[in-house]
Amino acid sequence: AQTVTQSQPEMSVQEAETVTLSCTYDTSESDYYLFWYKQPPSRQMILVIRQEAYKQQNATENRFSVNFQKAAKSFSLKISDSQLGDAAMYFCASMNRDDKIIFGKGTRLHILP
Amino acid sequence: GAVVSQHPSRVICKSGTSVKIECRSLDFQATTMFWYRQFPKKSLMLMATSNEGSKATYEQGVEKDKFLINHASLTLSTLTVTSAHPEDSSFYICSARTSFTFNEQFFGPGTRLTVL
Repeated sequence: AQTVTQSQPEMSVQEAETVTLSCTYDTSESDYYLFWYKQPPSRQMILVIRQEAYKQQNATENRFSVNFQKAAKSFSLKISDSQLGDAAMYFCASMNRDDKIIFGKGTRLHILP
Repeated sequence: GAVVSQHPSRVICKSGTSVKIECRSLDFQATTMFWYRQFPKKSLMLMATSNEGSKATYEQGVEKDKFLINHASLTLSTLTVTSAHPEDSSFYICSARTSFTFNEQFFGPGTRLTVL
């Protein structure tokens, strides 16, 4: 069974600073995908970044990057130069070849002006 | 591209009535659609997976007679909450993927259901 654990229910960061959101996962599959989704107050789920498990290189999307540690089953998200618009709920998620996305419980990120 | 819509965005109904929620892929053909439920301040829980033209596959603990899912076309899936009760009040989100985008699902904006 897949599980995704986010141990930080809430975090705060000063605007323009860097913050890292933690995530660990567990799966018995060798082929899987990991995601970070953002859910702003509008509740629309927005894909932030995606990592294929077979790729050793950490994914990067502008100010967002991940630290993918496959052996440790860790998948943290780093947000650089935090902006007020980054305030949202962030969900770590995993997906096996069966298509099912399993979400963590989320981390609410506050940006302090 | 890759836009998914849901209708209605909000619905309030009386206990005992049935409510239908539509999920449409606007600019692509969705071979597979997924329905999630999100309680306040909680995570998304997968309810069921539906493939166009076939019966939905429900997750453990989800009552298939309570939550009827139909995926009659490549652009439309519906979730009908039958004989709704206050405990069915929740935020329902659909997502869709094509046969070419295995590793990405496109999410709808969600539907807030309130059962009085």
